[in-house]
Amino acid sequence: NAGVTQTPKFQVLKTGQSMTLQCAQDMNHNSMYWYRQDPGMGLRLIYYSASEGTTDKGEVPNGYNVSRLNKREFSLRLESAAPSQTSVYFCASRGTAGWYGYTFGSGTRLTVV
Amino acid sequence: RKEVEQDPGPFNVPEGATVAFNCTYSNSASQSFFWYRQDCRKEPKLLMSVYSSGNEDGRFTAQLNRASQYISLLIRDSKLSDSATYLCVVMGEYGNKLVFGAGTILRVKS
Repeated sequence: NAGVTQTPKFQVLKTGQSMTLQCAQDMNHNSMYWYRQDPGMGLRLIYYSASEGTTDKGEVPNGYNVSRLNKREFSLRLESAAPSQTSVYFCASRGTAGWYGYTFGSGTRLTVV
Repeated sequence: RKEVEQDPGPFNVPEGATVAFNCTYSNSASQSFFWYRQDCRKEPKLLMSVYSSGNEDGRFTAQLNRASQYISLLIRDSKLSDSATYLCVVMGEYGNKLVFGAGTILRVKS
């Protein structure tokens, strides 16, 4: 009963380094999302994937890329990390039937120095 | 203007108190509405959906006023365990993504 699994849980990067945040869900959900959460800002949508094979920009996509590898996995890549990308990153997924709540992963705390 | 606005608080209340949070949203075409709860350093979790007729789940009551674009959450008989951040969340008109308010902090004291 894993739900949404994110890795890593914590990461420290130097400015200019790259990394990929991994997300996988085992609920057969079609839609997946990447959010960042900063103090006083709430969660802001970076990218989302409405279904396997499609991705779309959200509110704050600059500096990020995504890949919907298959129905289960949706990764977020930082090509050249900047201190402004220090944040907590949450992945979420949503099914299409019934209600529209999201299931979130436990988050990745990223610090860029 | 933010798409979803909430009073950030914090609301400091004694155990047993009744507390109400309000939220306004800017997109009149929004379809669905939710309250999420987020504990410190944890992921958000769905607390309850908000229906046009209002709905109740135990000590929690949610109301929606579409004309005023206003959502509320009432917590009765507050418990220490209710201490958390409460996020007002709105589903956009195309039904494909949620927009989150910045959250209201609740601290329940003994």
